[in-house]
Amino acid sequence: SQQGEEDPQALSIQEGENATMNCSYKTSINNLQWYRQNSGRGLVHLILIRSNEREKHSGRLRVTLDTSKKSSSLLITASRAADTASYFCATRIQGAQKLVFGQGTRLTINP
Amino acid sequence: EPEVTQTPSHQVTQMGQEVILRCVPISNHLYFYWYRQILGQKVEFLVSFYNNEISEKSEIFDDQFSVERPDGSNFTLKIRSTKLEDSAMYFCASGTPRASGPYEQYFGPGTRLTVT
Repeated sequence: SQQGEEDPQALSIQEGENATMNCSYKTSINNLQWYRQNSGRGLVHLILIRSNEREKHSGRLRVTLDTSKKSSSLLITASRAADTASYFCATRIQGAQKLVFGQGTRLTINP
Repeated sequence: EPEVTQTPSHQVTQMGQEVILRCVPISNHLYFYWYRQILGQKVEFLVSFYNNEISEKSEIFDDQFSVERPDGSNFTLKIRSTKLEDSAMYFCASGTPRASGPYEQYFGPGTRLTVT
């Protein structure tokens, strides 16, 4: 399996509900970043969590990182129709510049 | 808020032709990147550029690809002889080190390259 894997691959919920997406990775990381991509558009940076951090908040977003399990989760609370997008985790491993992206979770918020 | 810009938004070219994709990174950033995303697939790293030289590249970034920072603002990706499989969305990104450690990479809107 590859460095970044998200699950689920697709998630469909009702507006107002919370959405949780998970990401797993293989190697030691320097940091992990979450991005959003609207269909056919660019990548919007959401949040960066360092390897020595366990949780981080930004508005309705909450990211956790468990380096012992090599996993991260992104929680979007009180979802809105505008949150409909694909969400990617990207890891930066120690000593490297590049980000390694997962396959993404396609989130659909139903009004 | 400053952002990464890319031109053109869509480029159609014939197989074997050269293309140049252009990017203007955020002005005070020092690291520059190109990634690509083939339709329906994950975003893949191509190359990173720092201090006027390539600092890291992937196996995708072969002799057909080159990057340049021709002036103080632009960052370009050239594909010398395009192939059908080069069709993808190409993203430019930039970032700059922080005293506190890790930094974000900010992405442009992408250039959709279609090779026919």
